[in-house]
Amino acid sequence: KQEVTQIPAALSVPEGENLVLNCSFTDSAIYNLQWFRQDPGKGLTSLLLIQSSQREQTSGRLNASLDKSSGRSTLYIAASQPGDSATYLCAVGGGGSNYKLTFGKGTLLTVNP
Amino acid sequence: EPEVTQTPSHQVTQMGQEVILRCVPISNHLYFYWYRQILGQKVEFLVSFYNNEISEKSEIFDDQFSVERPDGSNFTLKIRSTKLEDSAMYFCASSGTGGDTQYFGPGTRLTVL
Repeated sequence: KQEVTQIPAALSVPEGENLVLNCSFTDSAIYNLQWFRQDPGKGLTSLLLIQSSQREQTSGRLNASLDKSSGRSTLYIAASQPGDSATYLCAVGGGGSNYKLTFGKGTLLTVNP
Repeated sequence: EPEVTQTPSHQVTQMGQEVILRCVPISNHLYFYWYRQILGQKVEFLVSFYNNEISEKSEIFDDQFSVERPDGSNFTLKIRSTKLEDSAMYFCASSGTGGDTQYFGPGTRLTVL
């Protein structure tokens, strides 16, 4: 059974700092990996999708990497801003006919002005 | 930009009652999903739906749950006899293809009294 772990559980940084969020998963037979942002009481906003054949994806100040063999992914946020404050969720997608996402518990990020 | 919509945003019901949660996926998407998030816990997969049938369901998705795509636009989740432990945020998601980005709706908060 796939298990996804995110470290740290919470992170507080001053504005402008670069930061890395970590995600690990137990079963490397994944189809893809998706990073989401969740604001309190809200839905999930997709940030980046990395297919299993890819090593990284970039979108603006965000860069996500994937090392499938070691079961790890990182989300790098450059020049953090107070508006980046949210919970960041990592989710791995299964293969075959099953594309369900298995989620980690998330990292609660606070960026202080 | 196309988005997934869900209604209602909040549903309060008595234990044992039936509830139907409604979703309108993105119009040209083919894969549909329901997930739930109990307060303070991980987002959990419930069911995936493709080509008018369930393609995968979790152990949570027992006989009390059902899904339907009654027309070309709606996707519904029915809980026949709600329990206290069904209280959660329910998210609908859709994707264009099986391994594509899953886009989530804003969620329906279900409260069972």
